[in-house]
Amino acid sequence: NAGVMQNPRHLVRRRGQEARLRCSPMKGHSHVYWYRQLPEEGLKFMVYLQKENIIDESGMPKERFSAEFPKEGPSILRIQQVVRGDSAAYFCASSPTGTGANVLTFGAGSRLTVL
Amino acid sequence: DQQVKQNSPSLSVQEGRISILNCDYTNSMFDYFLWYKKYPAEGPTFLISISSIKDKNEDGRFTVFLNKSAKHLSLHIVPSQPGDSAVYFCAASPGNKLVFGAGTILRVKS
Repeated sequence: NAGVMQNPRHLVRRRGQEARLRCSPMKGHSHVYWYRQLPEEGLKFMVYLQKENIIDESGMPKERFSAEFPKEGPSILRIQQVVRGDSAAYFCASSPTGTGANVLTFGAGSRLTVL
Repeated sequence: DQQVKQNSPSLSVQEGRISILNCDYTNSMFDYFLWYKKYPAEGPTFLISISSIKDKNEDGRFTVFLNKSAKHLSLHIVPSQPGDSAVYFCAASPGNKLVFGAGTILRVKS
């Protein structure tokens, strides 16, 4: 029973390029969350998705960032025209339901470096 | 807008002694609180949680205390072990997501 799988683990992009981060939730989990951890900071909520629906994107930057969780396949966090300030660790988490009492299970993260 | 605050960036404790990690929150609508532990280059892992209707939850060496009137919770680890050295995040739930504090680095010295 694999946990939350994220890939790539490390991604290097030059300014202006696109970054795509993928997340496969735990088996049986249909709720996916994306968090970002900037250096020396805590985890900041970005977006909460269910299959084919964005439930809460209040933490997503207004431009360049988008997320999806299609009916088939992993959830994707897409960052267009990356800038140096996007360098961070991006963590995906999943849960079986979307209530706050549920424990989120996190992946190992994708570390994005923008040159 | 820091709704969950961990004011101690780091804590150093001798092996066998008690570790106390603190967390304050501002949103009285939080109904669930959790602690996560994180090792370098890994994702956070769930440690222990407490509902807002309780004031204490215990699981082995880990106990979480909640003081709603003070909007304060703490994690007690006793006895502390070198393997407990990690970053500890306090998190609170307003319903459909978790809001995290900045974390406290715990170092347990042997």
